[in-house]
Amino acid sequence: SQQGEEDPQALSIQEGENATMNCSYKTSINNLQWYRQNSGRGLVHLILIRSNEREKHSGRLRVTLDTSKKSSSLLITASRAADTASYFCATGNFYNQGGKLIFGQGTELSVKP
Amino acid sequence: EAGVAQSPRYKIIEKRQSVAFWCNPISGHATLYWYQQILGQGPKLLIQFQNNGVVDDSQLPKDRFSAERLKGVDSTLKIQPAKLEDSAVYLCASSLGLRGESNQPQHFGDGTRLSIL
Repeated sequence: SQQGEEDPQALSIQEGENATMNCSYKTSINNLQWYRQNSGRGLVHLILIRSNEREKHSGRLRVTLDTSKKSSSLLITASRAADTASYFCATGNFYNQGGKLIFGQGTELSVKP
Repeated sequence: EAGVAQSPRYKIIEKRQSVAFWCNPISGHATLYWYQQILGQGPKLLIQFQNNGVVDDSQLPKDRFSAERLKGVDSTLKIQPAKLEDSAVYLCASSLGLRGESNQPQHFGDGTRLSIL
C-alpha cells in the first residue's frame, strides 16, 4: 500500500524559481527519504531526515519534517532545467515495516529554461 | 563504486509466457530489494532479501512470481506465467543492510521495462 502522498502531482516552473513539493503520510515513522527519478532511469537518493529532526539541508535542497502533522516538504531553490524529474518521498519504520521503505506516488517536476 | 546492474533493460513478451530479470547489487550490500513500478506510480516492494534470506515477500504474487538470491550476491526475479497487468518497470535496489537499521539510503538500478502483449 502507498503510505506517502505527494502534492502536487505535477509542477511546472521556470528556471531560477523555487520548487516546493509536499508529502503526507499516515503512520508513525523512523525516517523519511526523498528520491529523484529521471525519465527511464532508476531512483536516486537525495536526502534522509530522521523522525527527531525538523529540517535538513543539502546543497540547493531543503527538507522539513513535521511529525505532528505527518508531513514533509522538499524545497529546491534556484531550479535548473536538469532538475526536471519525478520526486518521491518514502517512509521507513523499522518496527512496523522492517527495513523496507514505502513510496508515495510522486511529483512530476518540469523546469522550463 | 559500480552501481546496481540490471538486465535486460527492455523485454517484450506475450501473456502466459515466462520472463526472468537479473540484478547485481553494489558490492558489500547485504540487503537487496525488487520493486514493481507501474507507469505514473511510485515503486512497490515485491521482495526484500537480507544476504540470501527473505525478509519480506508479503506483496509478491507467489502464484506467478518467484525470486532467489542463492549466494547472497546477485538475484533473479521470475514471472511465470505473465499477465497483462504485469507490464511495468522492475527495479532492483540494494543497501548496506546494517542489522536493526532502517535509516539507510537505497541505491537503484535503471530497471527492466517489461511489456506484455
